[in-house]
Amino acid sequence: DQQVKQNSPSLSVQEGRISILNCDYTNSMFDYFLWYKKYPAEGPTFLISISSIKDKNEDGRFTVFLNKSAKHLSLHIVPSQPGDSAVYFCAASRDNDMRFGAGTRLTVKP
Amino acid sequence: KAGVTQTPRYLIKTRGQQVTLSCSPISGHRSVSWYQQTPGQGLQFLFEYFSETQRNKGNFPGRFSGRQFSNSRSEMNVSTLELGDSALYLCASSVWGRDTQYFGPGTRLTVL
Repeated sequence: DQQVKQNSPSLSVQEGRISILNCDYTNSMFDYFLWYKKYPAEGPTFLISISSIKDKNEDGRFTVFLNKSAKHLSLHIVPSQPGDSAVYFCAASRDNDMRFGAGTRLTVKP
Repeated sequence: KAGVTQTPRYLIKTRGQQVTLSCSPISGHRSVSWYQQTPGQGLQFLFEYFSETQRNKGNFPGRFSGRQFSNSRSEMNVSTLELGDSALYLCASSVWGRDTQYFGPGTRLTVL
């Protein structure tokens, strides 16, 4: 069962604009959320995380927003750069159980 | 610190065979998780080991098994391979399991 869903398999944005990647989850018990970025031929790398006690976390160009009532998570990248082109996975965890979404392929065009 | 290493990086097997994949976590990390990545399915959780014990398990058939050794190194075994088992198998290590996971480069398994 897909407890974490990324409904957009791909997203294309222009360099300098905002990229918004979305993620929905079904289990309200998840209390820690993460975003990972994956380049071809490499394993995913950690990008940013947020605890359920917060609704926003920023790290440079990356901001993660959490809407617990909607069970929705989003990642904003501003401004987007061509080097951000990768597959982005969201993950949700509870206790020692972590589940990932299917990923969204972001393409940032120069 | 050295990162997570996985061996082999590439593997070609035929249906019905079995395969063992290896993962060496970052030093000091006690949790190792295994994931299967296929196009369109994203990262599917296989199982997680912590201190030599399987702590969590995903929805995969019993042909998929694993173990963890006292030095935290982990192996994953797939028996009676099927064509659908062709995928990238990723392992990830972390200190406790629910904290940030660090992924290895993966093992690309092709079943012919």
